[in-house]
Amino acid sequence: AQSVTQPDIHITVSEGASLELRCNYSYGATPYLFWYVQSPGQGLQLLLKYFSGDTLVQGIKGFEAEFKRSQSSFNLRKPSVHWSDAAEYFCAVARRTNAGKSTFGDGTTLTVKP
Amino acid sequence: DTEVTQTPKHLVMGMTNKKSLKCEQHMGHRAMYWYKQKAKKPPELMFVYSYEKLSINESVPSRFSPECPNSSLLNLHLHALQPEDSALYLCASSQPTGIDNEQFFGPGTRLTVL
Repeated sequence: AQSVTQPDIHITVSEGASLELRCNYSYGATPYLFWYVQSPGQGLQLLLKYFSGDTLVQGIKGFEAEFKRSQSSFNLRKPSVHWSDAAEYFCAVARRTNAGKSTFGDGTTLTVKP
Repeated sequence: DTEVTQTPKHLVMGMTNKKSLKCEQHMGHRAMYWYKQKAKKPPELMFVYSYEKLSINESVPSRFSPECPNSSLLNLHLHALQPEDSALYLCASSQPTGIDNEQFFGPGTRLTVL
């Protein structure tokens, strides 16, 4: 069975500082990987996804993520955080043949200090 | 149009009421999903419709009754709910299979059961 671990429940960074959110997955083969962001009371917005090809993936809002097969990781990064980035971030994994049925991590809450 | 819409945005109901949640997409997706999300938790999959047929029911209580009248619409009928059913209900859509079938999420309906 596939699973996702987001080790950090809550992260606080200062505005303008860099950010890295960790995601580790467990899956028998190379999965389909996603990062979503959710503002309070809102739906999930896809930030980026990895299916194949270049292991460094660029997303929206200045985010990027790097797929590292050897570490079973898909960490999300942003070089300079803005106050509007404060939100809940979910990493998700899915089988390549059924990306619609994703397994989500428990999420990381990002707080941005002024 | 890459939008999934959900109505209503908020719903308050008593335990004896009958109400329905509605979801609509016009992206030509043939898979649609209902998720339940409690605060600070990841979405939990409830139902999946593929080509307008129920393909997955994740052991959801019968007080939740899904319906997919056509390929663009998905309803969730609610009856005799319990206070613990209060949550954010998210709808999503995707292509059922294939390489690039990530989910698009709606903004959700915030349900409160009194």
